[in-house]
Order: sequence, then structure tokens, then C-alpha cells
Amino acid sequence: GQNIDQPTEMTATEGAIVQINCTYQTSGFNGLFWYQQHAGEAPTFLSYNVLDGLEEKGRFSSFLSRSKGYSYLLLKELQMKDSASYLCAVRGGSARQLTFGSGTQLTVLP
Amino acid sequence: NAGVMQNPRHLVRRRGQEARLRCSPMKGHSHVYWYRQLPEEGLKFMVYLQKENIIDESGMPKERFSAEFPKEGPSILRIQQVVRGDSAAYFCASSLSGTGTTEAFFGQGTRLTVV
Repeated sequence: GQNIDQPTEMTATEGAIVQINCTYQTSGFNGLFWYQQHAGEAPTFLSYNVLDGLEEKGRFSSFLSRSKGYSYLLLKELQMKDSASYLCAVRGGSARQLTFGSGTQLTVLP
Repeated sequence: NAGVMQNPRHLVRRRGQEARLRCSPMKGHSHVYWYRQLPEEGLKFMVYLQKENIIDESGMPKERFSAEFPKEGPSILRIQQVVRGDSAAYFCASSLSGTGTTEAFFGQGTRLTVV
């Protein structure tokens, strides 16, 4: 089976750095994705990791450790518009679909 | 290049009625996924389809729910005899292929309310 855990809520201050953790237990592994979802809107793709290490894309970075079943999403120079739910998702071994965590609701305060 | 299009955006049905949700994938995409999202919860996989074929329906309830992706036209998620517990946001995603780095692009969702 698949199990993905991430914190339910986080709060941070504008301009700060925040790290959102995700741990997973899956039967097989074929990549980990991070999505951002604003209330009432579609999830939008942020990052993809399949090999261990850090992937950097502007203010957002994502890290993966396959041996630990662990990933994090790092958001730098936080802006108010970054307030959203951040979804960790794993593509299992033979499955084509993504299995999502429950999401982390990030609130950025002024 | 239009994104994934879902309609309607909002749908209200009385208990016992049928709900039909439509999804047109991005141009060139032949892989479609349906997810359900309850309030304050994550996305739960329902079904994965390619043109004219259901590849994986392991997340779909055995009764009342069905999905299709015909050769021509959008993918349809059909819920018969809706109940209050079916109220949720239903998201469709499409991808170019089903493997590797291919990300899935999501539509805006259909918010179903059963009254």
C-alpha cells in the first residue's frame, strides 16, 4: 500500500524561509512530485524528484532521500501569495497515477 | 494551447439523481486521471484511463460510479443515484504519457453538491 505523511498546517512570516516535510512508504517508487493548490483552484506542478538530492527552481527547492523515504519542499523569500496548500505526491512502482498526501496548509503572515 | 478543461465548474444534484462530469485533456494528451477531494483532505485517486480503455479503476467505488474516455470527445465520470457523501470536488488530470518525469496537469475541478 501507499502512505504519505506531511504536516497539516504551517505558519511563516513574509520574507522568511519555510521547509515542508513529507515522508512516504510505498510499494515501489517512480518519482515524487510537489504541487501547490490555492483554495478553490486546481493543483499546479512545482517540482519532481526521482534521484536523491536537491532540485532548485527559483525560490522553490525540493529534496529527496529514497533510502529514508523522505522529501522536503523549501520555499525562500516567502510572499503573501505563497499562502496555499502544498501537496506531496508519489508515483508508485508500476502504478501510473499519483498518490497524494493530505496537503500542508501554509499561511504566510505579514 | 488550452489546459485541461472540466465542466461544469459547479453542479448541484438532488439525492438519487445522476451526475455527469466532463473532462477534456490537454491537446495531445491521451492519459486521463480522475481524483476526488473532500474538504480539508488530499486528492484521492479514482480511475486512470487511456483512449477507450480503463487502465486502473482501483480507487473507484464499485457501485454507482463509472468512467469512460471515448475515441472522440471528453472523458466522462458518471455518478448514478447520488448521495450526500458524494459531495466533493472532482479533479481531472491529463499527461502526455504515464511514466517518468511526465507531470500531470490538472483541470479546475467540478464541485458537486448533493442536496
